[in-house]
Amino acid sequence: EAGVVQSPRYKIIEKKQPVAFWCNPISGHNTLYWYLQNLGQGPELLIRYENEEAVDDSQLPKDRFSAERLKGVDSTLKIQPAELGDSAVYLCASSFGGGNTGELFFGEGSRLTVL
Amino acid sequence: KQEVTQIPAALSVPEGENLVLNCSFTDSAIYNLQWFRQDPGKGLTSLLLIQSSQREQTSGRLNASLDKSSGRSTLYIAASQPGDSATYLCAVGGYQKVTFGIGTKLQVIP
Repeated sequence: EAGVVQSPRYKIIEKKQPVAFWCNPISGHNTLYWYLQNLGQGPELLIRYENEEAVDDSQLPKDRFSAERLKGVDSTLKIQPAELGDSAVYLCASSFGGGNTGELFFGEGSRLTVL
Repeated sequence: KQEVTQIPAALSVPEGENLVLNCSFTDSAIYNLQWFRQDPGKGLTSLLLIQSSQREQTSGRLNASLDKSSGRSTLYIAASQPGDSATYLCAVGGYQKVTFGIGTKLQVIP
């Protein structure tokens, strides 16, 4: 069974440019998470979806970050415009079940470098 | 607000040694606690999930315990191997969100 798939694995952009990350969760997992991980830190939640609904986006910087999960399956996270401080690893995870009750499975992450 | 602490931040042990990693949390109103390993430049790999009603879970050489009342969990690794070298993170599944510790970086020396 395929795990959580993320792309691209690496992205280098100039500041003020846009960037997008894509995630395909494990088949049948209705909950999808986007996390941000800085070096030496634990992941921090950006947004959590249950099916198509964003049920927790309180930590998403909405002035420059947006996300969508149109058909309740794969998801896209966008940053526009990117800033130097956005350099980090963006992790996608999925789980089965609502709330924070299910076991989390992560993708390999997308490493963003903003120059 | 849930706070998750992992001690020690780093640990170096000789191959074959048994070891314990610690995770503490401040709010005992949780659904579950999950242990992960993370290799450099990789995502998080799930090791064990303990539901709030459980006391421990085992998988191979790994055993995780949960004491909700005291806000503590331990990950026991038996007969450590160089391939166990990685960062180990615990994540507490609470009613509002999942909160991660910053991890313990383990090095197993051959």
